Amino acid sequence: TQLLEQSPQFLSIQEGENLTVYCNSSSVFSSLQWYRQEPGEGPVLLVTVVTGGEVKKLKRLTFQFGDARKDSSLHITAAQPGDTGLYLCAGEAGGTSYGKLTFGQGTILTVHP
Amino acid sequence: EAQVTQNPRYLITVTGKKLTVTCSQNMNHEYMSWYRQDPGLGLRQIYYSMNVEVTDKGDVPEGYKVSRKEKRNFPLILESPSPNQTSLYFCASSPSNYNQPQHFGDGTRLSIL
Repeated sequence: TQLLEQSPQFLSIQEGENLTVYCNSSSVFSSLQWYRQEPGEGPVLLVTVVTGGEVKKLKRLTFQFGDARKDSSLHITAAQPGDTGLYLCAGEAGGTSYGKLTFGQGTILTVHP
Repeated sequence: EAQVTQNPRYLITVTGKKLTVTCSQNMNHEYMSWYRQDPGLGLRQIYYSMNVEVTDKGDVPEGYKVSRKEKRNFPLILESPSPNQTSLYFCASSPSNYNQPQHFGDGTRLSIL
């Protein structure tokens, strides 16, 4: 079973601060997805990264896929209270595990006004 | 409106009483999957299906069954539920299994007493 270690598990910061969430594995993934989940709802996709070294930006969010496709990070600049939520990374294995999606444990982010 | 619909949203039942959680998608997606979400563990994949009549085990399939007789539906069956299956369950679908975003339902909260 492939594992994705996500850190930190909890993050409580003030509005305007920057933060980074990490997702690490010893396994190679064909792609990595980042989701955000609000209470009472299912996760919603933020971005998919596919190529090693790839960087994608979504407004104040920057996503990076490691060169070896084993790790990824999510960086939020100048966090706002609206960024509060559960952030999840998910890796797709490919190969003989085609179709299996492995999620990290999640990061609960709270941004205080 | 494109959506993944799960029913019921909430269920409290007793050990050993067979139950089915239905999942239906209206996007003609080939890929469907079931997850359970538990605190500190993130989402764990139970079963997935890459097309009609094709199902495969995820990371935590024990105690669950699924079927995919038609493209739009992917029910999750608990033949003899036990308290350790108390959890929040999500169904998801995507156009295919390769690097495609998952569209999640709103979840089903099951309590097995």
